[in-house]
Amino acid sequence: DIVLTQAPLSVSVTPGESASISCRSSKSLLSSKGITSLYWYLQKPGKSPQLLIYRMSNLASGVPDRFSGSGSETDFTLKISKVETEDVGVYYCAQFLEYPLTFGSGTKLEIK
Amino acid sequence: VQLVESGGGLVQPGKSLKLSCSASGFTFSSYGMHWIRQAPGKGLDWVAYISSSSGTVYADAVKGRFTISRDNAKNTLYLQLNSLKSEDTAIYYCARGYRYNPHVMDAWGQGASVTVSS
Repeated sequence: DIVLTQAPLSVSVTPGESASISCRSSKSLLSSKGITSLYWYLQKPGKSPQLLIYRMSNLASGVPDRFSGSGSETDFTLKISKVETEDVGVYYCAQFLEYPLTFGSGTKLEIK
Repeated sequence: VQLVESGGGLVQPGKSLKLSCSASGFTFSSYGMHWIRQAPGKGLDWVAYISSSSGTVYADAVKGRFTISRDNAKNTLYLQLNSLKSEDTAIYYCARGYRYNPHVMDAWGQGASVTVSS
């Protein structure tokens, strides 16, 4: 199984500052079609997860451009610039390259 | 797009439960669907997938115990949970697979809570 390791476990950010979350994969997520199958979700408190980033660096519909994704075949970063209070929750990376589909353990973002 | 889970509850170890997920706002029969679970205070754990043509894939932890199915006439996804264990206690979410890459979960329900305890 592909293991995704997220860091840090939690991050506390002042509104207006930036935050970065790391996700490392135990295997390359680059498919034979040249697509990097790494995704980011946000689970706000008491809610179900919502898709933020698809294919490593593409914003899902309706996601503000304060969010951005980048990386290589195995190391990935979610960056949130100018954090707002509505960004609180747990961020998960996920790989959809192969079954079983797997998620990282999550990074909790809190506001200072 | 709306996905509404139902059928959760408290069940004893070894017993069975059937979850439903009612879909609306899209052509259900054209989409693959997933079940994902989240144990209390824990992260997300993919459980099973069914394609639009009813092909299925399961996580090893539930293979042989859980069965995913669908009724396109009723726009409903199911998860039959048998031989339940305490470690199956979780919120169970249904999610739609993205039309052009069904592995990708692009819409989620609000979840159904399953508690396995004597």
